[in-house]
Amino acid sequence: NAGVTQTPKFQVLKTGQSMTLQCAQDMNHEYMSWYRQDPGMGLRLIHYSVGAGITDQGEVPNGYNVSRSTTEDFPLRLLSAAPSQTSVYFCASSYSRATTSNGYTFGSGTRLTVV
Amino acid sequence: AQSVAQPEDQVNVAEGNPLTVKCTYSVSGNPYLFWYVQYPNRGLQFLLKYITGDNLVKGSYGFEAEFNKSQTSFHLKKPSALVSDSALYFCAVRDATGGSYIPTFGRGTSLIVHP
Repeated sequence: NAGVTQTPKFQVLKTGQSMTLQCAQDMNHEYMSWYRQDPGMGLRLIHYSVGAGITDQGEVPNGYNVSRSTTEDFPLRLLSAAPSQTSVYFCASSYSRATTSNGYTFGSGTRLTVV
Repeated sequence: AQSVAQPEDQVNVAEGNPLTVKCTYSVSGNPYLFWYVQYPNRGLQFLLKYITGDNLVKGSYGFEAEFNKSQTSFHLKKPSALVSDSALYFCAVRDATGGSYIPTFGRGTSLIVHP
């Protein structure tokens, strides 16, 4: 089924470890983004990309890196995990960043725990 | 700057009764407004949007929302609630005049429909 696929669904990391959260979409969407969801905080934008080779920072970028080598993939890298990065991470995409027709398509999320 | 407020952390309603989930917003120009729903352990799903035109917008699963410019509100409504409507609901806004094109999400409102 077409959509946004995130892997893994669950992950436990030790403080200081690094890892990559994967996000792939098969809808030929130009715009992709990463959010984190924390209780009482709603969704906060980490990084976004308006097309292959173009990325930019969102509201809470510190401790995270992204790259966009293809239209389909937008991985999120945690450089040195900290307990404050315990959260649920969502990848979202749309045809373009100005798209308003059907909002964003979200992945099912990655629940990350840093101990 | 743009912002959105969902003043209720939780809304409780009996099955069969009408429901309202409140949202107020602030933008510099005209707003584009969205509602999303998140079921447990799932990503957000687009419900409906207001771009322009009729102030009453109809969306998925029998939901509708009313845009009120003078009160800067976009409340989500449904005439008869179902237990299956129990979920987390997010309002989002972005400035229609452009800028970053990135929407701002509210903190979410948990809707609980009692049998």
